[in-house]
Parts: sequence; C-alpha cells; structure tokens
Amino acid sequence: EPEVTQTPSHQVTQMGQEVILRCVPISNHLYFYWYRQILGQKVEFLVSFYNNEISEKSEIFDDQFSVERPDGSNFTLKIRSTKLEDSAMYFCASSGLAGLVAGELFFGEGSRLTVL
Amino acid sequence: EDQVTQSPEALRLQEGESSSLNCSYTVSGLRGLFWYRQDPGKGPEFLFTLYSAGEEKEKERLKATLTKKESFLHITAPKPEDSATYLCAVQARRGGSYIPTFGRGTSLIVHP
Repeated sequence: EPEVTQTPSHQVTQMGQEVILRCVPISNHLYFYWYRQILGQKVEFLVSFYNNEISEKSEIFDDQFSVERPDGSNFTLKIRSTKLEDSAMYFCASSGLAGLVAGELFFGEGSRLTVL
Repeated sequence: EDQVTQSPEALRLQEGESSSLNCSYTVSGLRGLFWYRQDPGKGPEFLFTLYSAGEEKEKERLKATLTKKESFLHITAPKPEDSATYLCAVQARRGGSYIPTFGRGTSLIVHP
C-alpha cells in the first residue's frame, strides 16, 4: 500500500540552527501539506503546496519557514532559525484529489523536532 | 471563525461498552467532515468522510453520522485495540482553498 514517508523520525537541534524535514508523498498525489502538533495540542495546519507553489499558509508559517519540492518526489520543510517553541511533531500529508477542495489526507509518521 | 469542538476530551470504556464521541462544528458551508484515528507518536489515519446531513459511514465497530451542526462517531462493543485518539476535521475556507482543520480530539482508552 502506498504511503507517505518522512525523515528524520526525530531531530534534536540547538536554538538558532537550521532544520530541514523531508517527506516523500504518495507518487500520484497532487496536493501536499505540512501540519504540526505540539505535545498535547491539536494538529495545526502550516502550509499547502500545489503545482510547485504554496497555495495556502497559516499565521504560524512565517518568514522562518519555507517549503520546496526540489526533485519532483521529495517535499521539504525548512526552518531557518529554530526557536524553542518550534519543538513539535511535524506531519507531512498528501492528497490525490484535484480542484479547490482537498479530501482525504494521507499522513506520514511524523518528524519529532526538539529544540534545545 | 470556523471551529471544531470535540467532546469528551477523554473517555474510558470497558471492553464491549458502546459509546459515542461528538464533534460539533461551525463552518460557513460544510465541504466535508473527516474522522481520523491517531495512535500515540503516529500520524493521523483516515477513517471516514461525510459530506451531507443524514449521511452515515461504517467500518467494523465504528459508525460515523452527520447532522447540520455535529457529527458522532459511534463505537459498538469496543475492543482494547480501538484505544487511540479520534480526531475530527472539517474543510475550512482559507483564501481560495479549503483546508482540513482539526479539533483537539477525544482520547479513548478501552480496558479489557
């Protein structure tokens, strides 16, 4: 069964360092997402990506964050200068539905980021 | 502002004790309501999509229903392996798109 894969599963970094989280979405999917979940809190939308550009982003997704799809298969989230409050589980998700309405999302297992 | 509220926050059941989880929502024009299951340290796993009031979906011991203001996830004769956090999400309008927006979830523990 096709699945979304994420690496690394856990990353520990020092405050101020750059972090890149990687995702390989399901191959024939068109829409890609990053969500995050701070421990004990709800799953929060960060950004959506379609046709090689950001389609929507939340208030959380400020200038410290960026996404790209460098090679047609990988989908990355970069945090330029990490802060303590960036510590969270980051989930990549993809959807196979076209059009304005995203449907069922397939999530990866997540990358746990710990900022010290 | 679009909102998704789930209740209860936590629920403990004995094996075989049926119950229901609630998801109430306020969105302008529902474009889909989703139920997901999340195991500890894992990503959400899709269960159901509901689009219109009166719609029902079933999968094993789970049945999801939808009204104009809320959705219920009914769990019939649960087993310990049903223990997980159940998340409700609705399509919330964001710019020119509709983005799945999650509630806080209901943490379900089923005791043998």
